[in-house]
Amino acid sequence: GNSVTQMEGPVTLSEEAFLTINCTYTATGYPSLFWYVQYPGEGLQLLLKATKADDKGSNKGFEATYRKETTSFHLEKGSVQVSDSAVYFCALARAGNNRKLIWGLGTSLAVNP
Amino acid sequence: SQTIHQWPATLVQPVGSPLSLECTVEGTSNPNLYWYRQAAGRGLQLLFYSVGIGQISSEVPQNLSASRPQDRQFILSSKKLLLSDSGFYLCAWSVKGANTEAFFGQGTRLTVV
Repeated sequence: GNSVTQMEGPVTLSEEAFLTINCTYTATGYPSLFWYVQYPGEGLQLLLKATKADDKGSNKGFEATYRKETTSFHLEKGSVQVSDSAVYFCALARAGNNRKLIWGLGTSLAVNP
Repeated sequence: SQTIHQWPATLVQPVGSPLSLECTVEGTSNPNLYWYRQAAGRGLQLLFYSVGIGQISSEVPQNLSASRPQDRQFILSSKKLLLSDSGFYLCAWSVKGANTEAFFGQGTRLTVV
């Protein structure tokens, strides 16, 4: 079946450290891939997306590349800030079926000054 | 531009009382609509989704129900709340079509006491 696996948290980093949050997926066809961010007490916001293999999504210094050969969509940021502290969710939308997104369990990130 | 409104933001209800959470979308027509629940420190659980007025699909058996009386209105209800209904409830919408992302409301924090 279709699934998304994220690295477990919590992840704790110092300000300006490099961030990687791993995400791998299982899906038939060619899904679209997403990263969402959830700040404390808020809803989810779309952070970035990629709709086909080798696409790179980017936003607010975050990047993720759709790697079909490794079925991965790892989130990276070169220098994190305290304001990046949040929960990050990886998700996929299956090709031909847009009714439901498939979600990872989320990775909590805490950035210390 | 499209916006999604969800209310109330927080709610404290006694066990056995009814529930009604409302979500409306503006700036789009015929969206897919979703209700998610997020238990403390956990991932997203899809409760219901709707592809049109009066069309509701339930993902998990539970004490809750959903209705879509208008194209851009989605309501989550319960006749008698249980303690286990406590959580963070999120409404979302997406455009019909392949591989589209979902857009979320700000969420409702429900505490059943």
